[in-house]
Amino acid sequence: DQQVKQNSPSLSVQEGRISILNCDYTNSMFDYFLWYKKYPAEGPTFLISISSIKDKNEDGRFTVFLNKSAKHLSLHIVPSQPGDSAVYFCAATEGDKIIFGKGTRLHILP
Amino acid sequence: NAGVMQNPRHLVRRRGQEARLRCSPMKGHSHVYWYRQLPEEGLKFMVYLQKENIIDESGMPKERFSAEFPKEGPSILRIQQVVRGDSAAYFCASSPRNYEQYFGPGTRLTVT
Repeated sequence: DQQVKQNSPSLSVQEGRISILNCDYTNSMFDYFLWYKKYPAEGPTFLISISSIKDKNEDGRFTVFLNKSAKHLSLHIVPSQPGDSAVYFCAATEGDKIIFGKGTRLHILP
Repeated sequence: NAGVMQNPRHLVRRRGQEARLRCSPMKGHSHVYWYRQLPEEGLKFMVYLQKENIIDESGMPKERFSAEFPKEGPSILRIQQVVRGDSAAYFCASSPRNYEQYFGPGTRLTVT
């Protein structure tokens, strides 16, 4: 049973527009939520995180929003750039483990 | 400071052979994690180790799989008597502390 769900396998966004990647979770005991970015043939790269006690964290073009009552988080990228094309994994920490979603492939269109 | 290193990057094994995957953590990192990614899936936690200790192996298959992180040298993920279903990308991550994990480039294992 998936505890972290990314229901959109892929997303296409015009360059310069906002990319919104969504993630749902089932376990209310998660401590931190993380977003990782992955290019082909490379390992995931940490992007941004948010503590379960916060509702927003911003880092440059990347903002993560957390809605605990809905058990939902989202990653906003604005403006989207060609180099943002990658697979994005939503993840959550439970003690010493990171639990990953299946990923969303983001395509930035010229 | 070099990143997490994994070798080999690609490994081909016939059914029944053994696979050994190596992971050298970042300098100063004492926590190592192994994950497996099957095609079209997310990364699945396998095991968490500190030097000479297995802390959490709840994601490891009960048979054929083992992991170690000796006092000296890299962490090793060992798969005995490989089967086709073991074909996957295996990622190692290291951390100076919990949750801030830095991933290596992965080892792609193909079982023929």
